[in-house]
Amino acid sequence: KNEVEQSPQNLTAQEGEFITINCSYSVGISALHWLQQHPGGGIVSLFMLSSGKKKHGRLIATINIQEKHSSLHITASHPRDSAVYICAGDTDKLIFGTGTRLQVFP
Amino acid sequence: DVKVTQSSRYLVKRTGEKVFLECVQDMDHENMFWYRQDPGLGLRLIYFSYDVKMKEKGDIPEGYSVSREKKERFSLILESASTNQTSMYICASSFEVGVGGEAFFGQGTRLTVV
Repeated sequence: KNEVEQSPQNLTAQEGEFITINCSYSVGISALHWLQQHPGGGIVSLFMLSSGKKKHGRLIATINIQEKHSSLHITASHPRDSAVYICAGDTDKLIFGTGTRLQVFP
Repeated sequence: DVKVTQSSRYLVKRTGEKVFLECVQDMDHENMFWYRQDPGLGLRLIYFSYDVKMKEKGDIPEGYSVSREKKERFSLILESASTNQTSMYICASSFEVGVGGEAFFGQGTRLTVV
């Protein structure tokens, strides 16, 4: 069993839909990272959070330390949000989930 | 802007060749990492380094070695390339790990071994 697991693996949505990607972890972490990778592009950091909730534009990330669970929400999704979203737990190194491939259609 | 720069975007090498992948960061970060990314497996840690001349094995170090002679540069070496090392290789750096330090990633090198 992976120490960091994401669901779903693949997600398709219509433009405008509300999207949720989930991440569960089984190890002790100091923080959780949400990352984005566009097709053919590099990985960029979206959020780093250790408690509560963070918001940046249409993206919202939450974490529940007790339940060892984090979610990434995208409101009013757009085709340019199509990418792979990766969560990673911060221990003495980053432990990555396998990613969620999101496709948003017009 | 923080930059993690990898020397090549695409590389094609022959089986048995010695391959060098270079990574340079310009933020004076102590920590640098090499990952490989494969479909369905996500990013897996090959080696990392906390300081100059220090290196630690990650989860899949077999067939690889690394070199960190200067703080800003972390090199991944494939001693004798094999076809199962065909992959996307991604370098990362951060100021702190284990305490929630932000990580920065290179664009990746897509290596094909034929």
